[in-house]
Amino acid sequence: EAQVTQNPRYLITVTGKKLTVTCSQNMNHEYMSWYRQDPGLGLRQIYYSMNVEVTDKGDVPEGYKVSRKEKRNFPLILESPSPNQTSLYFCASSLFARDRGFGYTFGSGTRLTVV
Amino acid sequence: GDSVTQMEGPVTLSEEACLTINCTYTATGYPSLFWYVQYPGEGLQLLLKATKADDKGSNKGFEATYRKETTSFHLEKGSVQVSDSAVYFCALSKTGANSKLTFGKGITLSVRP
Repeated sequence: EAQVTQNPRYLITVTGKKLTVTCSQNMNHEYMSWYRQDPGLGLRQIYYSMNVEVTDKGDVPEGYKVSRKEKRNFPLILESPSPNQTSLYFCASSLFARDRGFGYTFGSGTRLTVV
Repeated sequence: GDSVTQMEGPVTLSEEACLTINCTYTATGYPSLFWYVQYPGEGLQLLLKATKADDKGSNKGFEATYRKETTSFHLEKGSVQVSDSAVYFCALSKTGANSKLTFGKGITLSVRP
């Protein structure tokens, strides 16, 4: 089944403890991206990747890191999480990086709480 | 910058009622337009899309027409079901180095039996 898989689904952590949210897609998609969803703000892009070893900042990149060493994986790293990073996170992928027409396939989301 | 504006919610309808969710956009160039749906506890799913002016996207009884003259992409359904209860997001995307989706804030639809 074609899908984007995120792990974990739920995570509660403490301020300052490094964490990684994994994302993997099995569709050979070029483009991958991370979004956070907050009430009243909709979804905002954190980082994106055009292909292996090509990543760039989205609209709200502060406090996050990403890497794209393999085409299928795009982990989101929070080196020192803070309470304002409590949110619902989505990974998404799209077939081609530069084609606006395909839309995204989304993962099921990771609900992160930082206390 | 680009933006998407959705009507304020939430919206509550009775089963078999007609649905219209308004969406307008501001963007340079020629964006593609999308509606995504998020069911409780799940990720977003592509509901329908349109890639150029006057295109009509349709899926599962939902329709939306890309109106460039009014910069709108309103979502419509003639008869809603309880199973349509979800959050609906309008979004746009443009060709470029980052074909990111720019989302509206979303609107919650509840359909009662």
